[in-house]
Amino acid sequence: AQSVTQLGSHVSVSEGALVLLRCNYSSSVPPYLFWYVQYPNQGLQLLLKYTSAATLVKGINGFEAEFKKSETSFHLTKPSAHMSDAAEYFCAVSESLALTFGKGTMLLVSP
Amino acid sequence: NAGVTQTPKFQVLKTGQSMTLQCAQDMNHNSMYWYRQDPGMGLRLIYYSASEGTTDKGEVPNGYNVSRLNKREFSLRLESAAPSQTSVYFCASSDNRGTYSYNEQFFGPGTRLTVL
Repeated sequence: AQSVTQLGSHVSVSEGALVLLRCNYSSSVPPYLFWYVQYPNQGLQLLLKYTSAATLVKGINGFEAEFKKSETSFHLTKPSAHMSDAAEYFCAVSESLALTFGKGTMLLVSP
Repeated sequence: NAGVTQTPKFQVLKTGQSMTLQCAQDMNHNSMYWYRQDPGMGLRLIYYSASEGTTDKGEVPNGYNVSRLNKREFSLRLESAAPSQTSVYFCASSDNRGTYSYNEQFFGPGTRLTVL
């Protein structure tokens, strides 16, 4: 069965600092991987997705993620945090029709 | 396009009451999903419908029923609400017909349900 582990329920950074949100997955087959963002009181919005075309995936709002098969990881990064990046981020894996989500990481950005 | 819409946005029920959450999508997607989101638990799949006329249980189906009314609409029913069903409910849809669909899911804005 597939599963997703997000390390750290909360991550705090200063504005302008590097953002690193960690995601590890388990899957019996080559997976499709996703990062979603949720702003307060809103639904989930797709940031980026890995579909086996390229291991480094670029998404919206300056985010990117690198698929590392040997480490079963798909960590999300952004070189310079903005106040507007404060939100909850979810990593998800898909082997079939259903998505399995991690428990989420709340990103806090301070001035 | 409105994408995925959900009604109502908020609802308060008493224990034992019933209600139906409505979801509709205008993207011509074949698959639809219902999730619940609880603090610290992420999103958990309740039911899904791979295509019109089919439904399947997800991770947490107990206490819920679903109906795929047509290709656009997928409803979630609570027959006898319990406080444990207090949650935020999200509907999603995806187009899984093509080779490059990858199961990217599009989410509605959610329904916040409180059961007293």
